[in-house]
Amino acid sequence: GNSVTQMEGPVTLSEEAFLTINCTYTATGYPSLFWYVQYPGEGLQLLLKATKADDKGSNKGFEATYRKETTSFHLEKGSVQVSDSAVYFCALSDSQAGTALIFGKGTTLSVSS
Amino acid sequence: KAGVTQTPRYLIKTRGQQVTLSCSPISGHRSVSWYQQTPGQGLQFLFEYFSETQRNKGNFPGRFSGRQFSNSRSEMNVSTLELGDSALYLCASGQELGNTEAFFGQGTRLTVV
Repeated sequence: GNSVTQMEGPVTLSEEAFLTINCTYTATGYPSLFWYVQYPGEGLQLLLKATKADDKGSNKGFEATYRKETTSFHLEKGSVQVSDSAVYFCALSDSQAGTALIFGKGTTLSVSS
Repeated sequence: KAGVTQTPRYLIKTRGQQVTLSCSPISGHRSVSWYQQTPGQGLQFLFEYFSETQRNKGNFPGRFSGRQFSNSRSEMNVSTLELGDSALYLCASGQELGNTEAFFGQGTRLTVV
């Protein structure tokens, strides 16, 4: 079945550091890939998405590229801010099969000034 | 445009009781999905409704049920509550089936004592 694996956290960085959060997936079809962010006490917010191979999703300085050959969708940001501290979830959805979102376990990011 | 609204935000219930949670999707969205979030299991899919019909179901016991009304509002019910049902329950709405782009509410925090 479909699944998502993301790197264990927490990830602790200083402000302006480079961020990478690894995400790999297993899927039988042609999934869409997502990164969601959850701030303390809040629900999930869609950060970015990619719907086919080689697509790059980007938002608020975050980027991720859909790599079919390595089944990966790593999240990157060139310069993190304290306000980026949150939990980040990688997810996939097989839209052709109409399946629900399948999430990774989440990675906690803590950025200090 | 109003976002996804979940009520109530917080609930405390006693083991053996039953509970009903409510979700109002974004106007015009016809898909509503429910997820359970716990520290141990992460985000797990409960079920998805589209046009008043359950279209997908996760691997949860029959004590968990839901329904969707003609105005797309959805409710989920948990009967005979167990301590392990304590979790954040998140609702997501989307325009189409399959969560190609899901928008989440802030969640209902259920505590079973």
